[in-house]
Amino acid sequence: KAGVTQTPRYLIKTRGQQVTLSCSPISGHRSVSWYQQTPGQGLQFLFEYFSETQRNKGNFPGRFSGRQFSNSRSEMNVSTLELGDSALYLCPPCRNTEAFFGQGTRLTVV
Amino acid sequence: AQSVSQHNHHVILSEAASLELGCNYSYGGTVNLFWYVQYPGQHLQLLLKYFSGDPLVKGIKGFEAEFIKSKFSFNLRKPSVQWSDTAEYFCAVNSYNTDKLIFGTGTRLQVFP
Repeated sequence: KAGVTQTPRYLIKTRGQQVTLSCSPISGHRSVSWYQQTPGQGLQFLFEYFSETQRNKGNFPGRFSGRQFSNSRSEMNVSTLELGDSALYLCPPCRNTEAFFGQGTRLTVV
Repeated sequence: AQSVSQHNHHVILSEAASLELGCNYSYGGTVNLFWYVQYPGQHLQLLLKYFSGDPLVKGIKGFEAEFIKSKFSFNLRKPSVQWSDTAEYFCAVNSYNTDKLIFGTGTRLQVFP
């Protein structure tokens, strides 16, 4: 059973636009991380948030940013979209170090 | 920096064959180790995990993995695969004080009847 709801499930954007993805973990998960999954690169870590504070950041450009709210909901923003940002974005909440993945948001940049 | 290597990118087996997928990691400290599976069209699911204790870990669906600290390895095994095991398998590691997961590039397993 997935521990998170991500919206929207599918999204199509144009190069140069910006996008905000939303992630609502099941209550009780104070930690949430974001990952980008692509066929060529696999799963790459973007950020980790714990109690509204960014605890870790991956090797992505500054166009990628995120935040977590007091109710554990999290958002990720990507500005000035590039074709290479097309990917599945995942935000599994974590409990006892285990990540609970959902279906993610599939972003297509055209 | 932490990294995870999965040696086999694509494995093709017949049903009932034995499976071993390699995973090596690089990190000097205490780690937690995971194998995730992604069936076609589905989200990632946890197969098994190692935190401490017995280095031979048993997971769901008959999978097991052995942590060999001296070799920095955490290979996944199954004695007899089924067609339903066709999926992509990801090895992952995190250090004990963070939830940040470092994934390998994945191994695509195809099992033919």
